[in-house]
Amino acid sequence: EAGVVQSPRYKIIEKKQPVAFWCNPISGHNTLYWYRQNLGQGPELLIRYENEEAVDDSQLPKDRFSAERLKGVDSTLKIQPAELGDSAVYLCASSYGQAFTDTQYFGPGTRLTVL
Amino acid sequence: DQQVKQNSPSLSVQEGRISILNCDYTNSMFDYFLWYKKYPAEGPTFLISISSIKDKNEDGRFTVFLNKSAKHLSLHIVPSQPGDSAVYFCAASGSDKIIFGKGTRLHILP
Repeated sequence: EAGVVQSPRYKIIEKKQPVAFWCNPISGHNTLYWYRQNLGQGPELLIRYENEEAVDDSQLPKDRFSAERLKGVDSTLKIQPAELGDSAVYLCASSYGQAFTDTQYFGPGTRLTVL
Repeated sequence: DQQVKQNSPSLSVQEGRISILNCDYTNSMFDYFLWYKKYPAEGPTFLISISSIKDKNEDGRFTVFLNKSAKHLSLHIVPSQPGDSAVYFCAASGSDKIIFGKGTRLHILP
């Protein structure tokens, strides 16, 4: 069974440029999560989708971040414009169920460097 | 305000001995606790979990203990193996949130 796929794996951009990350969850998983992991920190939840509906985006900086999950499968996270403080690893995870008690399967992440 | 704390950034343990990783939380509304393991350049992988109605959960070499009155949980790995060298994240969840600790880097020494 294929795991969670993320691309790109690495991205280097200049500040004020836009950037987008893509995630393909495990087949059949209805819940998708985007996390940000800063250096030396644990993952921080940005947004959670149940099918195509964003059920929790309270930690998503909405002035510059946006996300979508069309047709309840793949998802894209966008930053526009990027700032120096956005440098981090962006992790996508998926789970079959909707509760936080359900096992989340993480992708390898996208490491973003903003110069 | 750190709601989930892993106070030891790193830990070194001899191969074959017991590894004990600790985690403290502050919010009594958390009712489910998880441990994830992370290798470099990979995403975290689920290791073991425990519900707040239990005080112990065991899976092979891994055991998680929960002390609700102290708001403390620990992960025991016995015996420790070289492949256990990784970063371990503790996470606490409630109905509407999940919070991860900063992680503890475990080194298994030969």
